[in-house]
Amino acid sequence: EIVLTQSPGTLSLSPGERATLSCRASQSVSSSYLAWYQQKPGQAPRLLIYGASNRATGIPDRFSGSGSGTDFTLTISRLEPEDFAVYSCQHYGSSLTFGGGTTVEI
Amino acid sequence: EVQLLESGGGLVQPGGSLRLPCAASGFTFSSHAMSWVRQAPGKGLEWVSTISITGDNTYYADSVKGRFTISRDNSKNTFYLQMSSLGADDTAVYYCAKHTDGGNSPYDYWGQGTLVTVSS
Repeated sequence: EIVLTQSPGTLSLSPGERATLSCRASQSVSSSYLAWYQQKPGQAPRLLIYGASNRATGIPDRFSGSGSGTDFTLTISRLEPEDFAVYSCQHYGSSLTFGGGTTVEI
Repeated sequence: EVQLLESGGGLVQPGGSLRLPCAASGFTFSSHAMSWVRQAPGKGLEWVSTISITGDNTYYADSVKGRFTISRDNSKNTFYLQMSSLGADDTAVYYCAKHTDGGNSPYDYWGQGTLVTVSS
């Protein structure tokens, strides 16, 4: 079973700053099967990135994903007020699993 | 417009059963795998179950295997999660989600969720 560990648990930043979120897998995974989701309070998650680096439809280009093997990163280049939320990574290959999430707060 | 609408949540006693339907619209339902994902209060997302496009293949998290059954009716554009032997650990918001393609693909649309509370 693949375990995804996200860090940090909470990231305290200000609008305009850069956010770097980490997702580490317990074993090497294909980057084709790594996604990132954003979730705001009381809302369903929203797909941001799939295949480790591909932006989903309608996602602004300030969001970018990178990584391979066991280490993956979601970067938000300049935080907008609406970006403060919880971000979760997901492996959707042979096993389906989510990371524990990173809260990006003001 | 793609829409996923869960229903069937509510308060159930420990050991009880519940069936959650998810009604889909706005896309070709029979061309996509579908999943259930849950989120306990204040916790992260947990994958629960996935059903293949035809319904021939189903997959379950270890935490629900043997207690939950996923199914789909492509003629009704609806899929279901039948839950039994419910315990307090099953208390969560249950989301239905649409895969972009088959089971090895991300979720591009989610329902708004339905709350299941297991308590006496």
